[in-house]
Amino acid sequence: DMKVTQMPRYLIKRMGENVLLECGQDMSHETMYWYRQDPGLGLQLIYISYDVDSNSEGDIPKGYRVSRKKREHFSLILDSAKTNQTSVYFCASSSGQGDAETLYFGSGTRLTVL
Amino acid sequence: GDQVEQSPSALSLHEGTDSALRCNFTTTMRSVQWFRQNSRGSLISLFYLASGTKENGRLKSAFDSKERRYSTLHIRDAQLEDSGTYFCAAENAGAKLTFGGGTRLTVRP
Repeated sequence: DMKVTQMPRYLIKRMGENVLLECGQDMSHETMYWYRQDPGLGLQLIYISYDVDSNSEGDIPKGYRVSRKKREHFSLILDSAKTNQTSVYFCASSSGQGDAETLYFGSGTRLTVL
Repeated sequence: GDQVEQSPSALSLHEGTDSALRCNFTTTMRSVQWFRQNSRGSLISLFYLASGTKENGRLKSAFDSKERRYSTLHIRDAQLEDSGTYFCAAENAGAKLTFGGGTRLTVRP
């Protein structure tokens, strides 16, 4: 069953706290992504990972870092969360090859930073 | 940077009618993908196109193969379950994927 799993589904944190968002996929996809979605702005790419320990900044990487130690897992870390990081975060994966470059998305994590 | 503009931003249809959503790009794109986001927030891939057209049931998508500066998503015989927000995402030559702002579709009985 092709799946991208995100944990947790909902998260409330206080400003200054550290946040860890986890993402897993069972398709052995090489490429994984973290996006955030805000009203009126669509999806914005935070980071992209091409494989284990091969990560690149997306369009809005400031305030975030990522970790990919296993192909099936991709974590998004917020060190000292800020209120403007309140958003819905989506993880996605793709095989990155030809017609199979279709993105598969997780269900999202709704993060609220108070 | 590259921009992806979707139109219309919102659309209301009666059941059984047809319509088309459009995605314009400010530069030549290598491929385009279409997604639907349902009321629970889940994003489902509808189409991936590097050129030409693809059809799946009542949905059909086309990617302008000549200039590669726009794509369309046609919905035939709209049903209530088609309601949601439709996003296109286009990939440029540098493999960067940019999302449009979405079209919020409401299908009414």
